[in-house]
Amino acid sequence: AQKITQTQPGMFVQEKEAVTLDCTYDTSDPSYGLFWYKQPSSGEMIFLIYQGSYDQQNATEGRYSLNFQKARKSANLVISASQLGDSAMYFCAMRESRNQFYFGTGTSLTVIP
Amino acid sequence: NAGVTQTPKFQVLKTGQSMTLQCAQDMNHEYMSWYRQDPGMGLRLIHYSVGAGITDQGEVPNGYNVSRSTTEDFPLRLLSAAPSQTSVYFCASSSPGQGNEKLFFGSGTQLSVL
Repeated sequence: AQKITQTQPGMFVQEKEAVTLDCTYDTSDPSYGLFWYKQPSSGEMIFLIYQGSYDQQNATEGRYSLNFQKARKSANLVISASQLGDSAMYFCAMRESRNQFYFGTGTSLTVIP
Repeated sequence: NAGVTQTPKFQVLKTGQSMTLQCAQDMNHEYMSWYRQDPGMGLRLIHYSVGAGITDQGEVPNGYNVSRSTTEDFPLRLLSAAPSQTSVYFCASSSPGQGNEKLFFGSGTQLSVL
């Protein structure tokens, strides 16, 4: 079974609108971490946001928030007020307690002016 | 602070050739790892290390060797390159502990095997 599933290969959003990128995960580990990374066309991997499995509140980092629904095993990324520079690939990732990281296949986001 | 340094950035090999991708970090991270990124596949873990002298296999280890003689360095060796190893390779490190142990990534190596 896939550890991380991103079901949206491509998404489009109008500039200044909000967008949600979906991520579901599969683990039996009680302690895990969830991450989102951005990969622009230049290729580097940029850390965006982190959510720990024991965190009670959803993580927020500026325009990024992580909608963490533990019972549903989902960790969706919400980007508010989209900007042209947000156009990139977005990867959801999970770290289990053994310190192995698993990545999803990514979602390509295009922001339309 | 250099972070994670990967070399080379680009490499073209012929089938059967060997090479080493270099990775060094200056953040005293215990955990280091190698990933390959292929279109539509995301990043897949090749090998990882939780400290000097300790390495383990990830999801796709075949055709690759690693060693960890120091905390700073974690080279990835291709002993006999195959076209299926054409990919973008990322080295990443983190500091295990409690909390946000995010991965710090190198800039990547684009490898083509002809």
